[in-house]
Amino acid sequence: GDSVTQMEGPVTLSEEAFLTINCTYTATGYPSLFWYVQYPGEGLQLLLKATKADDKGSNKGFEATYRKETTSFHLEKGSVQVSDSAVYFCALRGYSTLTFGKGTMLLVSP
Amino acid sequence: DVKVTQSSRYLVKRTGEKVFLECVQDMDHENMFWYRQDPGLGLRLIYFSYDVKMKEKGDIPEGYSVSREKKERFSLILESASTNQTSMYLCASSLSAGRSNSPLHFGNGTRLTVT
Repeated sequence: GDSVTQMEGPVTLSEEAFLTINCTYTATGYPSLFWYVQYPGEGLQLLLKATKADDKGSNKGFEATYRKETTSFHLEKGSVQVSDSAVYFCALRGYSTLTFGKGTMLLVSP
Repeated sequence: DVKVTQSSRYLVKRTGEKVFLECVQDMDHENMFWYRQDPGLGLRLIYFSYDVKMKEKGDIPEGYSVSREKKERFSLILESASTNQTSMYLCASSLSAGRSNSPLHFGNGTRLTVT
């Protein structure tokens, strides 16, 4: 079946550092890929998505590129802020439901 | 903006009680989902619904049932609550399954404690 593997956290960074959170997937067919973010005490919010190979999703300074050859969808940001502290989930959608990774907590200190 | 509303943010129930978690969406989405979120386990799908009166089991349906009598409302039912059902419950909705690039839109969650 479909699966998503993302790096375990927490990832601890200083403000303005570069962020990478790795995500790889296993799926049949051509899934769409997503990154969600969850701030403390809240539900999940869609951060960005990519629907086909080589697509780049971007939002709020975050980017991720759909790499079919390496089955990856790594999340990057050039300069993180304290307000980016949250849990980030990589996910894929085949025909029906969404399959999530286990989430990566990001902690950014001033 | 899509709005998914879960009726309670926090809920405390006793073992053996019947518990209803309600979810309403305002975007005429065909699909609705219930997940539970637990530390170290991520999000796990309990049930989903493609359309009114339709339901499908997810990965962990045991101990739960669902009801979808109207398109905008999807209820999760714990027939006899147990302590191992203490968790954060997240409802979501999306456009039809055929549109696989359609993201899920989530509510803010209900934190259920069973004592």
